[in-house]
Amino acid sequence: ELKVEQNPLFLSMQEGKNYTIYCNYSTTSDRLYWYRQDPGKSLESLFVLLSNGAVKQEGRLMASLDTKARLSTLHITAAVHDLSATYFCAAKLNYQLIWGAGTKLIIKP
Amino acid sequence: SAVISQKPSRDICQRGTSLTIQCQVDSQVTMMFWYRQQPGQSLTLIATANQGSEATYESGFVIDKFPISRPNLTFSTLTVSNMSPEDSSIYLCSVETGTGYNEQFFGPGTRLTVL
Repeated sequence: ELKVEQNPLFLSMQEGKNYTIYCNYSTTSDRLYWYRQDPGKSLESLFVLLSNGAVKQEGRLMASLDTKARLSTLHITAAVHDLSATYFCAAKLNYQLIWGAGTKLIIKP
Repeated sequence: SAVISQKPSRDICQRGTSLTIQCQVDSQVTMMFWYRQQPGQSLTLIATANQGSEATYESGFVIDKFPISRPNLTFSTLTVSNMSPEDSSIYLCSVETGTGYNEQFFGPGTRLTVL
């Protein structure tokens, strides 16, 4: 059974700081997804990571994948208030996505 | 990417009634998914709806309670039957694109409150 664990579940940080969200998954998966969800909104796809060592960057967000460690990270550089949201990772198993619990990120001005 | 619309965006329903949620995609997709998300929680997959076949339900969800239709490659409906307050949630449809990344995109969601 594939399980996905995110940590931390809640993160409050100051603008300008760097931080990392961790996503561990328990068995082999061929794709790792990161999504953003704003309060009262749907999910926005951020990154899809396919292979070991994959790194993708968009603005202040960078995601990486280590399939051997079964670990993906979402790194936030010089955080700004607009990045406040809940971030989910999900690992693919066959046809479905197995979801982490989400990390609620609050960035204070 | 895919543009997905859902109707209704929100509804308040009485206990014992049923609500049908529609999901429309702007392109043909093979796989469509229906999720439920409780406030402040992660997503729970209800079922996978493939055109031309019966929906596949996840553990804890049954066809009598959540019948699904998938008449073509751009449309699906989810019905929440005989509703109780425990069915109050956000219902999301998503689609998987056929590109190499197999990205999944989500509709805006239907916020359901059952009184």
